[in-house]
Amino acid sequence: GESVGLHLPTLSVQEGDNSIINCAYSNSASDYFIWYKQESGKGPQFIIDIRSNMDKRQGQRVTVLLNKTVKHLSLQIAATQPGDSAVYFCAESHGATTDSWGKLQFGAGTQVVVTP
Amino acid sequence: DAGVTQSPTHLIKTRGQQVTLRCSPKSGHDTVSWYQQALGQGPQFIFQYYEEEERQRGNFPDRFSGHQFPNYSSELNVNALLLGDSALYLCASSLGATGNNQPQHFGDGTRLSIL
Repeated sequence: GESVGLHLPTLSVQEGDNSIINCAYSNSASDYFIWYKQESGKGPQFIIDIRSNMDKRQGQRVTVLLNKTVKHLSLQIAATQPGDSAVYFCAESHGATTDSWGKLQFGAGTQVVVTP
Repeated sequence: DAGVTQSPTHLIKTRGQQVTLRCSPKSGHDTVSWYQQALGQGPQFIFQYYEEEERQRGNFPDRFSGHQFPNYSSELNVNALLLGDSALYLCASSLGATGNNQPQHFGDGTRLSIL
């Protein structure tokens, strides 16, 4: 079936280190992927997205890698800061038909804890 | 530039009642999607509105309905509330005319508690 999931429920990172958050998806038709950050009491905040015609995309301190062969997505955060502590979600959608446009499917999330 | 705004922020209802939640999209966005997020889980897609019509729907019963107004704002209505409807309800907006592959931007949600 279609699913998006995360390998690790909790990730502890020391301040200043790089973080890597992984995500697996099972729908080979998925062609759009997004990473969100959700802090306690707030809605998901858009971090970065990537389309299936790309393997890598970089933003400010973040890089998303997409491996379509093994259906794997990762988010790398450089020089992790205390403000990066949050739950991170990957989400996917596929645009094969207009019936599926914009129907984001989320994984369960990874809790990132940044320690001093 | 105003982001997505939702009201109310918190709401308490009892079983069997009905509720209406409201959402104003980010400036320039024309598409609104609604999600339900249970505690400790990822958001689940309810439905999406574009051009005042429901364009997509997730696996939610007919008790969940919505509306989009000409100014692109939207409402989510839930009838015959059940205890299991307790959750954070999130609204997200995006540009829909260009199709898929557009980032959705979320509000901070309405926390609905059913007693």
